[in-house]
Amino acid sequence: SQELEQSPQSLIVQEGKNLTINCTSSKTLYGLYWYKQKYGEGLIFLMMLQKGGEEKSHEKITAKLDEKKQQSSLHITASQPSHAGIYLCGARRNRDDKIIFGKGTRLHILP
Amino acid sequence: SQTIHQWPATLVQPVGSPLSLECTVEGTSNPNLYWYRQAAGRGLQLLFYSVGIGQISSEVPQNLSASRPQDRQFILSSKKLLLSDSGFYLCACSPSGYNEKLFFGSGTQLSVL
Repeated sequence: SQELEQSPQSLIVQEGKNLTINCTSSKTLYGLYWYKQKYGEGLIFLMMLQKGGEEKSHEKITAKLDEKKQQSSLHITASQPSHAGIYLCGARRNRDDKIIFGKGTRLHILP
Repeated sequence: SQTIHQWPATLVQPVGSPLSLECTVEGTSNPNLYWYRQAAGRGLQLLFYSVGIGQISSEVPQNLSASRPQDRQFILSSKKLLLSDSGFYLCACSPSGYNEKLFFGSGTQLSVL
């Protein structure tokens, strides 16, 4: 089955710094989803990308999907303590497929 | 928008005991429903999904089963829990139609001792 590789597994960043999380698939994706999870809680939807080269932003978070639809990056600008948590990418291989997830990136923000 | 109710929030069960986790959805009809498990070092693993009442697909062989007795009710069960069943269980739904994002419940932390 298709796998999603996320990197890095964990990240410690000084407050105010920028950071990037990556999500890579060996196969072309139909849709790519980014979620955020606070420890011990459910997942909160951030963004969905479907078109090659697509880029979306929400507040200080920007997500991009490459032209080949196999790699996505999540970029946070001027990080804040509220950005701390686990970021997970999920993807469908085709329209009728289920969403599978990567193992997540644990983000810690140092004050 | 849809709301997912999942309970209990935490559960501690002895090995060999039965399990029943319930998930109910509000705000949508005929949703696709999912059970995921999140275990340390293994990420978010899809266990079961359902596209309608009585229709259950299992993604991985395991000690668990799922049922959907009503359109917006999804139940995860086990007759005898194993230590390896410990983890964080998440119920999710998407509105009917596959090209939709998932909405997640708040999860159940299950510890099997």
